[in-house]
Amino acid sequence: QSVLTQPPSVSGAPGQRLTISCTGSSSNIGAGYDVHWYRQLPGTAPKLLIYGQNNRPSGVPDRFSGSKSGTSASLAIAGLQAEDEGDYYCQSHDIILIGWLFGGGTKLTVL
Amino acid sequence: QVQVVESGGGLVKPGDSLRLSCAASGFTFSDQYMAWIRQAPGKGLEWVSWISSSGSSTNYADSVKGRFTISRDNARNSLYLQMNSLRVEDTAMYFCARDGGRLSNSGAYDYWGQGTLVTVYS
Repeated sequence: QSVLTQPPSVSGAPGQRLTISCTGSSSNIGAGYDVHWYRQLPGTAPKLLIYGQNNRPSGVPDRFSGSKSGTSASLAIAGLQAEDEGDYYCQSHDIILIGWLFGGGTKLTVL
Repeated sequence: QVQVVESGGGLVKPGDSLRLSCAASGFTFSDQYMAWIRQAPGKGLEWVSWISSSGSSTNYADSVKGRFTISRDNARNSLYLQMNSLRVEDTAMYFCARDGGRLSNSGAYDYWGQGTLVTVYS
């Protein structure tokens, strides 16, 4: 069980707005550490989507946005598209484990 | 363009050793922290280790501490992971990744290799 908790799966229809949560604790997200988000397609390497809560690398559409509040963070996807399907992971640092952590991952399905 | 390419994976028995390599190109390797992340078959991502841009600082996940050693050769633009006393639970795809923060441990891994598979079977 991951220290960063994500829902195992989420789904939505094309065009909808969808959010994926990442719940941590006072030793990671709540301690003020940055949260990053990745998407992974089957058989491929993860791709960085959001870094430092709400910054997008070059090439990532502005439909993707991140936020953080207290001990949790969220990834929002607006205008859902079929190509958004995949596994999404959050990541943060933990002061007790003294290392980077990934959430357990969330499988996104576009209906 | 930025590229990182892993190699060195394979099929080994518990207790064996293996050395993974990662060849980097397209950026100033000595400016960036680097990391290894692994993914067991059908499972999520697990951060394994990071190394500072100079190689003077390293950190490891508890699951590999004392058994794995990360290192780098900035003259060869290469990253390594020496894995000793391998266990069945170390079976995973191992990814090499670049930390996007310049000269910092931001944890935001912006370039990943395709991975190299390590299988430890008894």
